[in-house]
Amino acid sequence: SQQGEEDPQALSIQEGENATMNCSYKTSINNLQWYRQNSGRGLVHLILIRSNEREKHSGRLRVTLDTSKKSSSLLITASRAADTASYFCAPGDAGGTSYGKLTFGQGTILTVHP
Amino acid sequence: DTEVTQTPKHLVMGMTNKKSLKCEQHMGHRAMYWYKQKAKKPPELMFVYSYEKLSINESVPSRFSPECPNSSLLNLHLHALQPEDSALYLCASSQAGTWGNEQFFGPGTRLTVL
Repeated sequence: SQQGEEDPQALSIQEGENATMNCSYKTSINNLQWYRQNSGRGLVHLILIRSNEREKHSGRLRVTLDTSKKSSSLLITASRAADTASYFCAPGDAGGTSYGKLTFGQGTILTVHP
Repeated sequence: DTEVTQTPKHLVMGMTNKKSLKCEQHMGHRAMYWYKQKAKKPPELMFVYSYEKLSINESVPSRFSPECPNSSLLNLHLHALQPEDSALYLCASSQAGTWGNEQFFGPGTRLTVL
């Protein structure tokens, strides 16, 4: 599977502001997933967007997917200190397997200051 | 129950010890994964089990030996580890399918090899 590349590597904002992070990938996908990891903990799945979808929402999260540009963005609106975490994207390659092999990029470290 | 449990939470072992990490899920998932995560790095896939059979071994050294005794349990047996094997070991599970599925992660076992 291919690795996503997140940008920026680090993002520091104030509580209440919006945070946008981007993910680029190289080859065709059938889905792309975003995960969050609080310091030293397990990963939490945020959103899965399929290749035939352009936008998806979940609470304060909005994910977009542009397959022509091979990129995705994650927007967190009205950020909170509890959103401080590392965010990873994981592109899912097109093609059939009986499991979802994920390759995580280096991630974006988001710090939200109270 | 949407939880993946891992035991122990912390483990300190010498290079001559034999120990095991355990992972359990009761979501009916038929794909289970082991990841290794070094500090400030993304998780790296080690092994994938699909329908209790080893499907992927990402060229992991033989001192790591996975086992999937049944569809709910996943073990990682450790023997003759090196200090550089110190890391957070994460277990995950998902439905097995071809369209990419959300992975549920456990909190991890923090391993220190002396």
